[in-house]
Amino acid sequence: DAGVTQSPTHLIKTRGQQVTLRCSPKSGHDTVSWYQQALGQGPQFIFQYYEEEERQRGNFPDRFSGHQYPNYSSELNVNALLLGDSALYLCASSLGRVGEAFFGQGTRLTVV
Amino acid sequence: AQTVTQSQPEMSVQEAETVTLSCTYDTSESDYYLFWYKQPPSRQMILVIRQEAYKQQNATENRFSVNFQKAAKSFSLKISDSQLGDAAMYFCAFPGAQKLVFGQGTRLTINP
Repeated sequence: DAGVTQSPTHLIKTRGQQVTLRCSPKSGHDTVSWYQQALGQGPQFIFQYYEEEERQRGNFPDRFSGHQYPNYSSELNVNALLLGDSALYLCASSLGRVGEAFFGQGTRLTVV
Repeated sequence: AQTVTQSQPEMSVQEAETVTLSCTYDTSESDYYLFWYKQPPSRQMILVIRQEAYKQQNATENRFSVNFQKAAKSFSLKISDSQLGDAAMYFCAFPGAQKLVFGQGTRLTINP
């Protein structure tokens, strides 16, 4: 079992660009949640996908969007990148919306 | 809204000794879980221990145990016989409304 895998591991983008981060859930899991973790802070919930729909959203602007595919993998898209979007982006998968969350190793996004 | 507070940004302990990390939370729910996660330099969040609020008995996982005080809304983590591999960021988390709410984290250093 490969667990939760995220790609890429590191990414550098320029302010104003767009970025797509990818997540493959743990085998058997159908729910994917995304978190943003700023340096020295705890993770903040962005949104959750279940049955290919966004089910819940945290306090993030519409520049943050996502998608879930039929195989349960997910993407996080961020448009019009700001310097403040620099963070570690964590993906967590679970079986059902309230199942135990398993995390990937994250994508470190740096906006310059 | 649920909130989680960790008042110790940094803690250090000598190898083989015991350390306690503090966490308080706020919720109006009566039945819930609480979690402690460990985030080593590899960045992956690893579940250390969970506590179910309706259980009177404090959870224990090998060298890790919790002191759960429901009335005080306190959930501390005790690490016994500290090992060098325990060095990491530790996050207390509350699963509110199908999302995890994290504290700010405590950086634990193990001194050899």
